[in-house]
Amino acid sequence: GAGVSQSPRYKVAKRGQDVALRCDPISGHVSLFWYQQALGQGPEFLTYFQNEAQLDKSGLPSDRFFAERPEGSVSTLKIQRTQQEDSAVYLCASSHRDRGRTEAFFGQGTRLTVV
Amino acid sequence: SQELEQSPQSLIVQEGKNLTINCTSSKTLYGLYWYKQKYGEGLIFLMMLQKGGEEKSHEKITAKLDEKKQQSSLHITASQPSHAGIYLCGADSPGDKIIFGKGTRLHILP
Repeated sequence: GAGVSQSPRYKVAKRGQDVALRCDPISGHVSLFWYQQALGQGPEFLTYFQNEAQLDKSGLPSDRFFAERPEGSVSTLKIQRTQQEDSAVYLCASSHRDRGRTEAFFGQGTRLTVV
Repeated sequence: SQELEQSPQSLIVQEGKNLTINCTSSKTLYGLYWYKQKYGEGLIFLMMLQKGGEEKSHEKITAKLDEKKQQSSLHITASQPSHAGIYLCGADSPGDKIIFGKGTRLHILP
């Protein structure tokens, strides 16, 4: 595709509900990143994939957060038993970072509100 | 762990004025990225700097990386309303991820 696509753009979840956020990276991009951005803050790293391999998940805040990229393309970030502190914008980015330092391209984000 | 500090946190300037945003790293920078974010939207890539002393320009925006590679600045000349938004600096961090500062919120007064 022309850019990184994320869906849904907005999600309202009741506390305790499970949610799944989708990311379609730019075609051919090997690397995929998930970030969490709280209101008024910079993006915080959550996890990183190279193809289907999850190489770094050090930023996932708890075991309620789970990410996958089974075929090395589309990725899903799942949050189980959502809590109010999970309310944030979730950003996905992709890049050719296997070819050395290069910029990452970001999607529009999914704004999650837990009520 | 590496941390990026941006200053100022917020900036209000009159249209047509010049402005500078700074980004300081706690460790040597091996890749420094500037992004712009419109409120409620994703990040738009502006520029990447890698070498000490490097300077890049695009339209009215110039970014520099100092010789010691621990500080970068973003300069906007003759600011316009379209420049308003949040400017984020990011840096390459071990493990191939990019870490970000908290951002500088720029408002342009007509």
